Amino acid sequence: AQTVTQSQPEMSVQEAETVTLSCTYDTSENNYYLFWYKQPPSRQMILVIRQEAYKQQNATENRFSVNFQKAAKSFSLKISDSQLGDTAMYFCAFMTSYDKVIFGPGTSLSVIP
Amino acid sequence: DTAVSQTPKYLVTQMGNDKSIKCEQNLGHDTMYWYKQDSKKFLKIMFSYNNKELIINETVPNRFSPKSPDKAHLNLHINSLELGDSAVYFCASSQGRTGGIDTEAFFGQGTRLTVV
Repeated sequence: AQTVTQSQPEMSVQEAETVTLSCTYDTSENNYYLFWYKQPPSRQMILVIRQEAYKQQNATENRFSVNFQKAAKSFSLKISDSQLGDTAMYFCAFMTSYDKVIFGPGTSLSVIP
Repeated sequence: DTAVSQTPKYLVTQMGNDKSIKCEQNLGHDTMYWYKQDSKKFLKIMFSYNNKELIINETVPNRFSPKSPDKAHLNLHINSLELGDSAVYFCASSQGRTGGIDTEAFFGQGTRLTVV
């Protein structure tokens, strides 16, 4: 079965500090896509960053970067210079060969002023 | 312009009623989804359609019936609503694995369904 695990239900970080959210997944596929989505209190689902599994280079998007370890099936998200607006639920997800996007249970991140 | 729009945003209804949630995407995507987000924020896929054809049905009760009149629309009809159906329902679309930079799922704003 294809699953996504986020072992940290809740995390907090001081404003301007760096925080890393962990994600592991299980799949027998070799080619897939990985994502981090953010869901602020407004409920909207917002794509933060995307990674193609065939690319070795870790994706970066401004203050957001990932550490993709394909062999370990690990896909962590690093948020640098945390801002109050980063407070949200963060979901790790991946897209399977059938275009099915599976989500992890989420990590609730609070940025403390 | 809203890429994926779903209506209504809020829906309060009594047990036993039948209700529909509509979803439309203007991104030209081939694949559309329905997700259910429960009170613990867990997002679970319910259905996936590709070009109006059902490709994923994740053990959802028969009371839930998706309808895709064309590839830009995927509506969700729920019969005989139960208390446990209360949740936020998200519609999404994607171009799938052939989408390149457009691979990810784009989400609607969600419909909060409350069954009383």
